[in-house]
Amino acid sequence: DGGITQSPKYLFRKEGQNVTLSCEQNLNHDAMYWYRQDPGQGLRLIYYSQIVNDFQKGDIAEGYSVSREKKESFPLTVTSAQKNPTAFYLCASSQKGGILRGYTFGSGTRLTVV
Amino acid sequence: DQQVKQNSPSLSVQEGRISILNCDYTNSMFDYFLWYKKYPAEGPTFLISISSIKDKNEDGRFTVFLNKSAKHLSLHIVPSQPGDSAVYFCAAINNNDMRFGAGTRLTVKP
Repeated sequence: DGGITQSPKYLFRKEGQNVTLSCEQNLNHDAMYWYRQDPGQGLRLIYYSQIVNDFQKGDIAEGYSVSREKKESFPLTVTSAQKNPTAFYLCASSQKGGILRGYTFGSGTRLTVV
Repeated sequence: DQQVKQNSPSLSVQEGRISILNCDYTNSMFDYFLWYKKYPAEGPTFLISISSIKDKNEDGRFTVFLNKSAKHLSLHIVPSQPGDSAVYFCAAINNNDMRFGAGTRLTVKP
């Protein structure tokens, strides 16, 4: 079955540590996105990539980094510079020119800083 | 700057009745609108959409209405079923940029 896989589902990080969230898709989608969800707020865009080896900052990119070395993979690193990293992180993908059919989302990773 | 707003964080409806979820937006450049449904511990799934050139789109029990002059859209679910209990996100697109509302938690009581 085609879809997006995010791992792990739950992640705990100590303050000052970097952590990488995995996102893999087998839908052959060109575009991939990372969102963050906080209580009472909409999904906020962190980074997006329209094509391999290219990515752009979203609205809240500070303290995060990404790479897009393969079409299928778009890992997100939460660095120690991110002041409030505890949140629910969602990865999504879409076909090129297919935004009107909506994104396909993964099941998310809940990151907690302890 | 929240361009898409869902002012009701929660809504409770009796099974069989109509559920109406509302969404307001501020950017008149949005030209496409979508609704997503999200169950706990899962990612949102696309539900229904509407182009800005239309005022209504229907898909089974789900109908989305768009009032451009009021910058308002709504999702109607008729009849509501307990399985519809989820968080519903409104989203709007301008030039490939998608913005989301904060979501409304719908509870359908048996």
